[in-house]
Amino acid sequence: SQTIHQWPATLVQPVGSPLSLECTVEGTSNPNLYWYRQAAGRGLQLLFYSVGIGQISSEVPQNLSASRPQDRQFILSSKKLLLSDSGFYLCAWSVWQVETQYFGPGTRLLVL
Amino acid sequence: ILNVEQSPQSLHVQEGDSTNFTCSFPSSNFYALHWYRWETAKSPEALFVMTLNGDEKKKGRISATLNTKEGYSYLYIKGSQPEDSATYLCASPNTGNQFYFGTGTSLTVIP
Repeated sequence: SQTIHQWPATLVQPVGSPLSLECTVEGTSNPNLYWYRQAAGRGLQLLFYSVGIGQISSEVPQNLSASRPQDRQFILSSKKLLLSDSGFYLCAWSVWQVETQYFGPGTRLLVL
Repeated sequence: ILNVEQSPQSLHVQEGDSTNFTCSFPSSNFYALHWYRWETAKSPEALFVMTLNGDEKKKGRISATLNTKEGYSYLYIKGSQPEDSATYLCASPNTGNQFYFGTGTSLTVIP
């Protein structure tokens, strides 16, 4: 069966510090991978998605970046965090549009 | 970017009441409509994926309908229970496999 892991579960970081969140998927090959963010009081916002190794599409211009160094690994990064980067970050995978997306457990990030 | 909207934003119902809420989405270039249930401190959990106009899906006391011509879907909960309290999200993907979520309907069932 397929599983999706995210870490860390929670993170408190100072403004201006770097960020690295990791997501890995097991039990499937060549998945579409996604990073979402839920800011306080908001819905789920699509940040990045990837259809293959090294292929990243960004939805919203910001100080975050994503990379996919391996088929089932998706990394969200920042060189310098902003207060507005605080939120709940979810990684997800799917095969194609008409099948379910499966979400990881999420990372709660607080930037102080 | 697809504009997916949900209403109402929040809802409080008494235990045993039935309720429903709406998801609206662009009807052009439609691929699918997804419903998810999101409990606090957990990951969103898939409820339904619907693709055909007129589709109806059911899981226990929860059901959903789809109208792709006019661009809306309804989610119904019959006989609400406290454990149904959650945020219900809908999402519509585009040709490029990008998923666009609505802001969700937060349901609170009062015992």
